[in-house]
Amino acid sequence: DQQVKQNSPSLSVQEGRISILNCDYTNSMFDYFLWYKKYPAEGPTFLISISSIKDKNEDGRFTVFLNKSAKHLSLHIVPSQPGDSAVYFCAVQQGAQKLVFGQGTRLTINP
Amino acid sequence: DVKVTQSSRYLVKRTGEKVFLECVQDMDHENMFWYRQDPGLGLRLIYFSYDVKMKEKGDIPEGYSVSREKKERFSLILESASTNQTSMYLCASSRKRQVLWLAKNIQYFGAGTRLSVL
Repeated sequence: DQQVKQNSPSLSVQEGRISILNCDYTNSMFDYFLWYKKYPAEGPTFLISISSIKDKNEDGRFTVFLNKSAKHLSLHIVPSQPGDSAVYFCAVQQGAQKLVFGQGTRLTINP
Repeated sequence: DVKVTQSSRYLVKRTGEKVFLECVQDMDHENMFWYRQDPGLGLRLIYFSYDVKMKEKGDIPEGYSVSREKKERFSLILESASTNQTSMYLCASSRKRQVLWLAKNIQYFGAGTRLSVL
């Protein structure tokens, strides 16, 4: 039973436009949500996070939105740049020490 | 700067071989993790360790074992490699989360080992 789902395996966006990546989760008890970014031949790197008591967190071009009633998380990138092309994973904190990751969405930014 | 180092970037092994994947972190983190990444399946937790000599099974531990003899080093062992273990293996580490609510716990990853079992 998948606790975290990213239903879009890939997304293609024009440079300068907004990229929106989505993530759904099943357990309303999750308390922290994270986004990671992964380039080919590199490990994932932490990008941005949000706690369950907030509905929005912003860091430069990146904003994460949390809709607890819908159990839905989204990452907005504005404006999108070619260097944003990567695989993005959402993750939820499970228990004290573990993260559970989604399947990932491959974002391609076209010039 | 945070550093998690995996000993090999690429490995090619034969079916039935015993395979060791090594991971070292220099951040004095208590927690260490092994994941595998497969297309369409994301990152799946194989094993994790929250202290020296301590280990806990993740979601897909079958066919794997681990060893943590020192705090900085976490090894993943494939006792008898099979073709379905061909994958990208990622090691991560994190601090032990002391506050168990509303405190984020960032995991730091190595670059990965791409293992091919022929």
